[in-house]
Amino acid sequence: DIVMTQSPDSLAVSLGERATINCKSSQSVLYLSNNKNYLGWFQQKPGQPPKLLIYWASTRESGVPDRFSGSGSGTDFTLTISSLQAEDVAVYYCQQYYSTPPTFGQGTKVEIK
Amino acid sequence: EVQLVESGGGLVQPGGSLRLSCAASGFTFTTYWMSWVRQAPGKGLEWVAKIKEDGSEKYYLDSVKGRFTISRDDAKNSLYLQMNGLRVEDTAVYYCARIRQQLLFDPWGQGTLVTVSS
Repeated sequence: DIVMTQSPDSLAVSLGERATINCKSSQSVLYLSNNKNYLGWFQQKPGQPPKLLIYWASTRESGVPDRFSGSGSGTDFTLTISSLQAEDVAVYYCQQYYSTPPTFGQGTKVEIK
Repeated sequence: EVQLVESGGGLVQPGGSLRLSCAASGFTFTTYWMSWVRQAPGKGLEWVAKIKEDGSEKYYLDSVKGRFTISRDDAKNSLYLQMNGLRVEDTAVYYCARIRQQLLFDPWGQGTLVTVSS
């Protein structure tokens, strides 16, 4: 199974400042035949199901604010919130969908400083 | 609007059974793989099972193999999870999710809570 490890486990950022979350996979999730990274990012607010933000490591889902961006390739990935808003307080998860079983990182809790 | 609505959760004793249901609407159910994903209280996300569009292929998390069975009824646009031999560690919110791009979950239902306790 591919193990996904996020860092940090939590972070507190001031409103309007940048938040950066890292995700590392135990093996590459880059599919060479199509040059796509099978990596997604989800946002989960309290009492709600996860919501897809980013797929193919860097493609923003329709309707997701452009302050959210994803980057990285192979085994190392980053989710960046360029200017943190109050409504961004949540737990963020990365997920690899390269192979079965699909696996998630342990989550990163983002709070307001 | 795509909608997934789970039902069937509840309190059950260890060794007991439950059947979860997920009613899908707003998309062509028969053209998507579907899945169950769970989240233990205060914990992260764990994939449980997935089923092909026509039900011909099913895959499970190792720890639920032989105890859980995923199925679907395309005539009713519904997904199911039969859970037998439940253990305390199966306690979680169970989400129904549509699968896109091979194994990406989107969207998710609101979830149904399963509590296994004596």
